[in-house]
Amino acid sequence: GQQVMQIPQYQHVQEGEDFTTYCNSSTTLSNIQWYKQRPGGHPVFLIQLVKSGEVKKQKRLTFQFGEAKKNSSLHITATQTTDVGTYFCAGDNFNKFYFGSGTKLNVKP
Amino acid sequence: KAGVTQTPRYLIKTRGQQVTLSCSPISGHRSVSWYQQTPGQGLQFLFEYFSETQRNKGNFPGRFSGRQFSNSRSEMNVSTLELGDSALYLCASSLEPESLYGYTFGSGTRLTVV
Repeated sequence: GQQVMQIPQYQHVQEGEDFTTYCNSSTTLSNIQWYKQRPGGHPVFLIQLVKSGEVKKQKRLTFQFGEAKKNSSLHITATQTTDVGTYFCAGDNFNKFYFGSGTKLNVKP
Repeated sequence: KAGVTQTPRYLIKTRGQQVTLSCSPISGHRSVSWYQQTPGQGLQFLFEYFSETQRNKGNFPGRFSGRQFSNSRSEMNVSTLELGDSALYLCASSLEPESLYGYTFGSGTRLTVV
């Protein structure tokens, strides 16, 4: 069945270091969304990617959608303590959103 | 503008009982989705409603059901509660399905089944 795998499960970085989380789908996705959930909070929408090979940037965050539309990545440059949280990808396949298991990011000051 | 409102915030129920959760989407949003979040299983899609019609349903038993009203407000019902139903239930709304602006989540209802 449809699966969206996300790695790594956890990432501990020193403030200022870069961070990347990867999302892989077993099938081609029509689009992919990224969300951030702070500890004790709810997921907050970050961005949606639709086109093959698409790259979008939000300040220190760079999002990529693979050419085959089966994988995606989120890269944070020079992490800050405010980046702490769990980052989820959500892939849309036949109008159902499948969330990845999330990558929990901890940033040490 | 007001965000997605879910009520109640916390709920404790006994095995075998049933429960109804409510979700009021952002004004103007017509699509409402429900998710179950647990530490072990992560975020799992329950169902999505648009214009009072269920568009999609996840892989959950028939004990889980929902509906959407003409004002886009949605309810989710779980019958014959089991211990494993303990979870954070999140509702998310969007202008329409597959909106480029993504989904806005509510703060959730934390259900504990004892």
